[in-house]
Amino acid sequence: EAQVTQNPRYLITVTGKKLTVTCSQNMNHEYMSWYRQDPGLGLRQIYYSMNVEVTDKGDVPEGYKVSRKEKRNFPLILESPSPNQTSLYFCASSLFGYEQYFGPGTRLTVT
Amino acid sequence: AQTVTQSQPEMSVQEAETVTLSCTYDTSESDYYLFWYKQPPSRQMILVIRQEAYKQQNATENRFSVNFQKAAKSFSLKISDSQLGDAAMYFCAMGDNFNKFYFGSGTKLNVKP
Repeated sequence: EAQVTQNPRYLITVTGKKLTVTCSQNMNHEYMSWYRQDPGLGLRQIYYSMNVEVTDKGDVPEGYKVSRKEKRNFPLILESPSPNQTSLYFCASSLFGYEQYFGPGTRLTVT
Repeated sequence: AQTVTQSQPEMSVQEAETVTLSCTYDTSESDYYLFWYKQPPSRQMILVIRQEAYKQQNATENRFSVNFQKAAKSFSLKISDSQLGDAAMYFCAMGDNFNKFYFGSGTKLNVKP
């Protein structure tokens, strides 16, 4: 089954404790992206990647890191999480110019 | 700056009736893509319909159709014969040639039986 998976689905952590949210797709898509969703703001793009070792900033990259060492994986790293990073996070993948396939979302709470 | 605006935070429609959700966008690009996504309470993002900006013909997908007005930078979604399962958040989105994506703030659609 074609899908994008994210782990964990729910995470509660404390300020400053490094964490990684994994994302994997099995559709051989070149393009992958991370978004955060906040009430009243819709989805905002954090980082995206057009291929292995090629990443670029979206609209809200501050406080986040990504890497793309393999085509199928695109982890999101929060080196020092803060409460304003409490949000719902989505990973997505696609072929260029086509609709994105989204993962199920990760609910992150930073206390 | 590229922006996508949904001016209707919430709408209601009677089952079997038709409803139109509004979306406007701003871009200086000549080539881009527009999408409508549905997000039910499960939070899963589901593609409803897709439109390439260079195509004049409005996209249609079963009960869902769009009214794409390129000059006005408008991209509304029409849902015909509304069903209870259509109740969800709907997001309008734009993808540009640099593969950046921009989403509107969403419209919550309620369907009354």
